[in-house]
Amino acid sequence: GAGVSQSPRYKVAKRGQDVALRCDPISGHVSLFWYQQALGQGPEFLTYFQNEAQLDKSGLPSDRFFAERPEGSVSTLKIQRTQQEDSAVYLCASSLLSTSSTDTQYFGPGTRLTVL
Amino acid sequence: AQSVAQPEDQVNVAEGNPLTVKCTYSVSGNPYLFWYVQYPNRGLQFLLKYITGDNLVKGSYGFEAEFNKSQTSFHLKKPSALVSDSALYFCVPGSTLGRLYFGRGTQLTVWP
Repeated sequence: GAGVSQSPRYKVAKRGQDVALRCDPISGHVSLFWYQQALGQGPEFLTYFQNEAQLDKSGLPSDRFFAERPEGSVSTLKIQRTQQEDSAVYLCASSLLSTSSTDTQYFGPGTRLTVL
Repeated sequence: AQSVAQPEDQVNVAEGNPLTVKCTYSVSGNPYLFWYVQYPNRGLQFLLKYITGDNLVKGSYGFEAEFNKSQTSFHLKKPSALVSDSALYFCVPGSTLGRLYFGRGTQLTVWP
């Protein structure tokens, strides 16, 4: 079956531009996560959705970052007024259940954002 | 709370030789442990997980991991390494919050 998909795969933005990154989770998965991976680092948590509810946004680095999942499936991560430090790979993951320490998260290929 | 440590930043092994990527854990309660792999310019892929039961867990691509309670370890192993196994490997503890905590991982290089 289809895995998690993300688009675009690559995005180049000029500093100050707004960007929107899309995630299509595995069909039927309740939970959706966004992570940010800087060069040479492991992924870091940004935010979590259970269906359409954003239950945890404690990892969002600033109020320029905004995420939504209005119908409980597709999610969009928006970054306003991009800065160079936002350059990273943004990974989306989904899992079947609501928060569980045993449930497997399946990751998309990521969107590589470069801010010039 | 659960945490893990991968003591080696890099592991180098010759193709055809067995490989081991080490992971030790520290938990209060039952440990839930995952291994993920990240190939160059690709997203993370799930390899295997330990929840309960058999200490030897078999996963994707011929990998397996042994849960050792006395040594608090969950090392990833493969009997015969392939050049295509070269990637970044993450040992990750499960979390009741759902979010996963990744370290910097272990870079595995298999040379021909």
